[in-house]
Amino acid sequence: SQKIEQNSEALNIQEGKTATLTCNYTNYSPAYLQWYRQDPGRGPVFLLLIRENEKEKRKERLKVTFDTTLKQSLFHITASQPADSATYLCAAPSRAGNNRKLIWGLGTSLAVNP
Amino acid sequence: DADVTQTPRNRITKTGKRIMLECSQTKGHDRMYWYRQDPGLGLQLIYYSFDVKDINKGEISDGYSVSRQAQAKFSLSLESAIPNQTALYFCATGFGETQYFGPGTRLLVL
Repeated sequence: SQKIEQNSEALNIQEGKTATLTCNYTNYSPAYLQWYRQDPGRGPVFLLLIRENEKEKRKERLKVTFDTTLKQSLFHITASQPADSATYLCAAPSRAGNNRKLIWGLGTSLAVNP
Repeated sequence: DADVTQTPRNRITKTGKRIMLECSQTKGHDRMYWYRQDPGLGLQLIYYSFDVKDINKGEISDGYSVSRQAQAKFSLSLESAIPNQTALYFCATGFGETQYFGPGTRLLVL
């Protein structure tokens, strides 16, 4: 079955460093991947989408890559700040539901220490 | 005002009770979704609707039902609540490839 896997181990980094989070997909090739941010007790918020024919996409301090050979997306936050502390979710379209359903990773918790 | 609202935000109920969680949106999106989120299990899709006349079961629909009263409203009911339905419930809308989430309803079933 289609799977989206994220590193379940929490990531702790020092303020100002670059945070790198990983999302791997198995058993299919999604047309795109999305990244969302979720704060405790709140709904996920969309950050970035990258399509399979795009190698890299940037938005301010965020950068996402898509490697179809490794079946992986990397999500980078440069010059990280304590306000970036949250859980980051990776999602990809399900083959079912005309690609309008998403399948979700479990998320990686990021803590940026001042 | 928030684009996707959920009521109530918190609810405590007892085993066997019927409860309804409500979702409203002002985004004008046709697609709406109900998810539950449990620690360690991530977001699981309960039901989804692509328009008012189209309702579909998700991965974990047993014990739940939905009603799409209008484009803007999508309600989730627990027919007879049980403790393992204790979770954080999210409503979302969809437009293009993106989903937009409400603030969530925290449900505790005793």
